[in-house]
Amino acid sequence: QVQLVESGGGVVQPGGSLRLSCAASGFTFSRHGMHWVRQAPGKGLEWVAFIRYDGSEKEYADSVKGRFSISRDNSRNTVYMQMNGLRIEDTAVYYCAKDLAGEPLDSWGQGVLVTVSS
Amino acid sequence: QPVLTQSSSASASLGSSVKLTCTLSSGHSTYIIAWHQQQPGKAPRYLMKLEGSGNSNKGSGVPDRFSGSSSGADRYLTISNLQSEDEADYYCETWDSNTRVFGGGTKLTVL
Repeated sequence: QVQLVESGGGVVQPGGSLRLSCAASGFTFSRHGMHWVRQAPGKGLEWVAFIRYDGSEKEYADSVKGRFSISRDNSRNTVYMQMNGLRIEDTAVYYCAKDLAGEPLDSWGQGVLVTVSS
Repeated sequence: QPVLTQSSSASASLGSSVKLTCTLSSGHSTYIIAWHQQQPGKAPRYLMKLEGSGNSNKGSGVPDRFSGSSSGADRYLTISNLQSEDEADYYCETWDSNTRVFGGGTKLTVL
């Protein structure tokens, strides 16, 4: 079955950087786009970024554009989120999710917590 | 870009039924949506895909108590025979090209 396992979270100071990873298994990773979605404490879900199956296309939410960068390594079945210039408002649980064009996000990871605090 | 609107909270008694609503913004009334359930402290779980026609396609293992329907720009999630484990946040999702949009979520309390 599909399994998505996020890692790389932690506590970082404002202005700092962090790289999240999401290891995928149970499906043909190289055929699927991937998304990152986040959830601030006590808040709802917010879509963050998307990467096409071959990495040729990337999309970002306005709130992270220019600071976050999504990438993938199909040889490692892993998608990454490089987060620079972190702000207190970036504090959230970050989930990766599998994409299928025109279909819902039907598989989610367990999430990883990022805390931005001085 | 579509916008999804959900009531912030709902409540219903154990064993009863509840109908949650997700409303698509003007000009997007034909969009397909999905419903997700998020139990306290857990990751979201995909429940179903729901078309404007009312056709739905449930995820693996989703109980028959969960059903979807549509009317115009409104998409509904009905939960019958409410159980204590149904107490959760429910989010609707839609998509436009490669971006995803979520409603604000409805917190369901089972009394």
